[in-house]
Amino acid sequence: AQSVTQLDSQVPVFEEAPVELRCNYSSSVSVYLFWYVQYPNQGLQLLLKYLSGSTLVKGINGFEAEFNKSQTSFHLRKPSVHISDTAEYFCAVRSNQAGTALIFGKGTTLSVSS
Amino acid sequence: EAQVTQNPRYLITVTGKKLTVTCSQNMNHEYMSWYRQDPGLGLRQIYYSMNVEVTDKGDVPEGYKVSRKEKRNFPLILESPSPNQTSLYFCASSSPGTWENTGELFFGEGSRLTVL
Repeated sequence: AQSVTQLDSQVPVFEEAPVELRCNYSSSVSVYLFWYVQYPNQGLQLLLKYLSGSTLVKGINGFEAEFNKSQTSFHLRKPSVHISDTAEYFCAVRSNQAGTALIFGKGTTLSVSS
Repeated sequence: EAQVTQNPRYLITVTGKKLTVTCSQNMNHEYMSWYRQDPGLGLRQIYYSMNVEVTDKGDVPEGYKVSRKEKRNFPLILESPSPNQTSLYFCASSSPGTWENTGELFFGEGSRLTVL
């Protein structure tokens, strides 16, 4: 079975500062990894995903994440955040075997202030 | 516009009064799922459906029912709601190739349910 841990429940930052949201996973098989974003009063939307290949994945809105197999991590980064990036971010994992569930972390609330 | 539509978006009800939260998608997706989101617990899967007339339990199915009579609709039924079912509910869907190959989901905007 897979599991995912988001290491920070809340991350406050100032506008234009860099940010990293941390995600670790555990799995005995190969996995797919995702970051979803939930803006206030909205549903979740896909930010980026890692399926295979290059370990550095670029997503929407200037976000990127790096898959590190040895450290079983998939941290999300942005070099300069905006007020509009304020949202809740969810890391998710599933095995690469058909029919398995998508497992979500508990979420990280990113609060960007001026 | 491709979307997953949930109704109602907000509902306050009382213990024991049956209710249904509807979910409809217009993307011809075969896979559909219900999640509940609670503070500090993230998203937990309630039920999912791989196709019409095929449903299965997720991690927290107690107190819920679902049906999948048509591909586009996947209603969530609370036969006798209780206060511990107060939550934010999300419906999600995925195409067969997408779900089997990657697990990417498309989400509705959520239904906030309060049970008094």
